[in-house]
Amino acid sequence: GDSVTQMEGPVTLSEEAFLTINCTYTATGYPSLFWYVQYPGEGLQLLLKATKADDKGSNKGFEATYRKETTSFHLEKGSVQVSDSAVYFCALSVGGNTGKLIFGQGTTLQVKP
Amino acid sequence: SAVISQKPSRDICQRGTSLTIQCQVDSQVTMMFWYRQQPGQSLTLIATANQGSEATYESGFVIDKFPISRPNLTFSTLTVSNMSPEDSSIYLCSVNTLRGEAFFGQGTRLTVV
Repeated sequence: GDSVTQMEGPVTLSEEAFLTINCTYTATGYPSLFWYVQYPGEGLQLLLKATKADDKGSNKGFEATYRKETTSFHLEKGSVQVSDSAVYFCALSVGGNTGKLIFGQGTTLQVKP
Repeated sequence: SAVISQKPSRDICQRGTSLTIQCQVDSQVTMMFWYRQQPGQSLTLIATANQGSEATYESGFVIDKFPISRPNLTFSTLTVSNMSPEDSSIYLCSVNTLRGEAFFGQGTRLTVV
């Protein structure tokens, strides 16, 4: 079945460091891919998305490119801030626009000043 | 986008009792979704709430344990029945926009003692 695998955390970085959080997926068909972020004590927020191969989603300095050949959607940011400390979830949509999402296990990012 | 309000935001309940969680959306949506996030875990889809028909449950979730109502296009409830400590989780309501983006409520943090 469809699944999402993320790198295990926690990931601890110093401010202004480069961030990569790996995400790979297994899916039948052509899913849309998403990154969601959960800040401490808050709900889940959509960070970025990509709907087809080679699409690049971007938001708030974060980027991720839909790589069909490697079935990956790695999240990157060139210079992290303390305020980026959160849990990041990679997800894929199931069966077109059904609204059903399959999530990875989440990666906790801690950014230290 | 969609604004989703969930109530209650948190609760502590005795085992054997039931809790009903409400989800209100600021616009009409076809499908609403209920997810569970167990402590330190990712999100798992419980069911899809369809207006005018019975909810569709994912593998491992049953209607007797998680009855769902969907009386109109802006509202849904999830009941966690006959609770045990294993039901302690965050329960989240979600809707999908026409752009294929999922938006989430703030969640209900349930602790069963």
